[in-house]
Amino acid sequence: DPKIIQKPKYLVAVTGSEKILICEQYLGHNAMYWYRQSAKKPLEFMFSYSYQKLMDNQTASSRFQPQSSKKNHLDLQITALKPDDSATYFCASSQDRQGQNTLYFGAGTRLSVL
Amino acid sequence: GDSVTQTEGPVTLSEGTSLTVNCSYETKQYPTLFWYVQYPGEGPQLLFKVPKANEKGSNRGFEATYNKEATSFHLQKASVQESDSAVYYCALSDPSNTNKVVFGTGTRLQVLP
Repeated sequence: DPKIIQKPKYLVAVTGSEKILICEQYLGHNAMYWYRQSAKKPLEFMFSYSYQKLMDNQTASSRFQPQSSKKNHLDLQITALKPDDSATYFCASSQDRQGQNTLYFGAGTRLSVL
Repeated sequence: GDSVTQTEGPVTLSEGTSLTVNCSYETKQYPTLFWYVQYPGEGPQLLFKVPKANEKGSNRGFEATYNKEATSFHLQKASVQESDSAVYYCALSDPSNTNKVVFGTGTRLQVLP
């Protein structure tokens, strides 16, 4: 059974709309992350959370907002969608903040913005 | 800032031949180095990691040595199989910033039967 669940697997949106990408992890980890993968920038770091607190934000746009309602949840809200936002978004977790800890990735949400 | 540079793909090999994927890194500290592998339709997964300089990591016949002097972490396998076809990412974790991992651009490997 997958230990990191991302929903939905595929998502099609129109320009200007808003979507929420869901991520839940069942590994008992304390740190969670979002990464984006596109043809232009493979595996680009976006956010990291530790114990539900934002630790690092490398996303220039405020249109991307992570939301952590529980320790094992880290959703990603994207507003005013643009075609350039089309990518696969990966949620990941690690036991604690990075260091030597292994990252465990979900299967991703593939977002297409028309 | 931290960066990772690796062999540009795609790399196409015949089954049974040897593989080398070059990886070089830049960081001010002594990082932990990782190789991740990503199969189609899946997220990346750890192949192996090496936290200390001059040590070797290995898994499934793949290996890499953490060379601090050359700032390199090249991935090697003596004899590839068709099932090794995937994208391979070299990555580092800087101990001065434990909030993120920096990935290379990935190297797509296709192994022909």
